[in-house]
Amino acid sequence: EAAVTQSPRNKVAVTGGKVTLSCNQTNNHNNMYWYRQDTGHGLRLIHYSYGAGSTEKGDIPDGYKASRPSQENFSLILELATPSQTSVYFCASGRQGAAQDTQYFGPGTRLLVL
Amino acid sequence: QQQVRQSPQSLTVWEGETAILNCSYEDSTFNYFPWYQQFPGEGPALLISIRSVSDKKEDGRFTIFFNKREKKLSLHITDSQPGDSATYFCAAHYGSSGNKLIFGIGTLLSVKP
Repeated sequence: EAAVTQSPRNKVAVTGGKVTLSCNQTNNHNNMYWYRQDTGHGLRLIHYSYGAGSTEKGDIPDGYKASRPSQENFSLILELATPSQTSVYFCASGRQGAAQDTQYFGPGTRLLVL
Repeated sequence: QQQVRQSPQSLTVWEGETAILNCSYEDSTFNYFPWYQQFPGEGPALLISIRSVSDKKEDGRFTIFFNKREKKLSLHITDSQPGDSATYFCAAHYGSSGNKLIFGIGTLLSVKP
């Protein structure tokens, strides 16, 4: 079965520190996505990728970087974490060239920035 | 600005009743609307979806009704079960590439036994 895993599942960081959230997928999907989920906002797209080596800005990219070193892995990087980045982060994967196709989500990472 | 609106934010029904979750949008170029179901502590998972060429999509107890002229759609859950208690997100596909989705804020459904 298709699988998207995220690590860590929970993270506490300090303001100004660097945080890296990792995502791995075994779906062999080209597209990968990073969302954050906040009460009152639903899920909002931060960055996405079409394949290894590519990253694109989503709707709320400020304060975040992304890295796609391989087909399977997609990381979200907070260079200087702020309390406003406290949230639940979800990674997802989907097929390239398959418009209107399903996105498969990981279990999420809960990040608290103090 | 592209938006997908959902109502109500929370809904409580009794077991066996029909739950109706509403969604509306503004951008007439949206043409695919998936609904995702999310249980606490888990990621969202696709429940059912509809393309704008259709006005109805059924999958068991779950039915989407779509009104393109009014830019509204609704998810009906018939014979609701306590196991249906979850948050439901309406989403819309946008962008010419990347298969991007914009999500509503979600409806928290509670089904009481």
